[in-house]
Amino acid sequence: DQQVKQNSPSLSVQEGRISILNCDYTNSMFDYFLWYKKYPAEGPTFLISISSIKDKNEDGRFTVFLNKSAKHLSLHIVPSQPGDSAVYFCAASDETGNTPLVFGKGTRLSVIA
Amino acid sequence: GAVVSQHPSRVICKSGTSVKIECRSLDFQATTMFWYRQFPKQSLMLMATSNEGSKATYEQGVEKDKFLINHASLTLSTLTVTSAHPEDSSFYICSAREVPNGNQPQHFGDGTRLSIL
Repeated sequence: DQQVKQNSPSLSVQEGRISILNCDYTNSMFDYFLWYKKYPAEGPTFLISISSIKDKNEDGRFTVFLNKSAKHLSLHIVPSQPGDSAVYFCAASDETGNTPLVFGKGTRLSVIA
Repeated sequence: GAVVSQHPSRVICKSGTSVKIECRSLDFQATTMFWYRQFPKQSLMLMATSNEGSKATYEQGVEKDKFLINHASLTLSTLTVTSAHPEDSSFYICSAREVPNGNQPQHFGDGTRLSIL
């Protein structure tokens, strides 16, 4: 039973446009959410996180939105750049941070020049 | 920022060999480190939680005697794949979180590509 779901395995976006990556979760105990970016043969790199007490967190071109009632979060990248092409993983845990992260299966983003 | 170093990055060895993978937190202390395994086009699957000074906690289905974890210090955890076989070939990744953690994100090593012939 997947607790964190990324239903789109891939996404293609033109350079300069907005990329929107979606993530849904089922476990209501999750209240800390993260996005990681991963290139082939490398470990994931932390991008941005959000706590359940917020509904939006912004860092430069990256914004994460959280809809707790819908158990849904999304990552917006604007403007998208070719260097953003990678696999993006959504992850969740509880607020204490002491439990392991639960990852989605990832979405492969391709930004086309 | 926080850096996690994982070594080696790639291992190719014969079936029956034991392989040790090191995970170090370079500029922070980590009482807890995590070991993941990733199959092609799949998500990161948690194998075990490594606790400094105590036994690791293994996820269901992960053989403790096959994947030995040692967390002897606040900056080093090791994963030993004992008597590795071709089905153990995979990408292994460790992560660590700073102490005290609160809402600190986990930081990942660059992974180890293990290929058993």
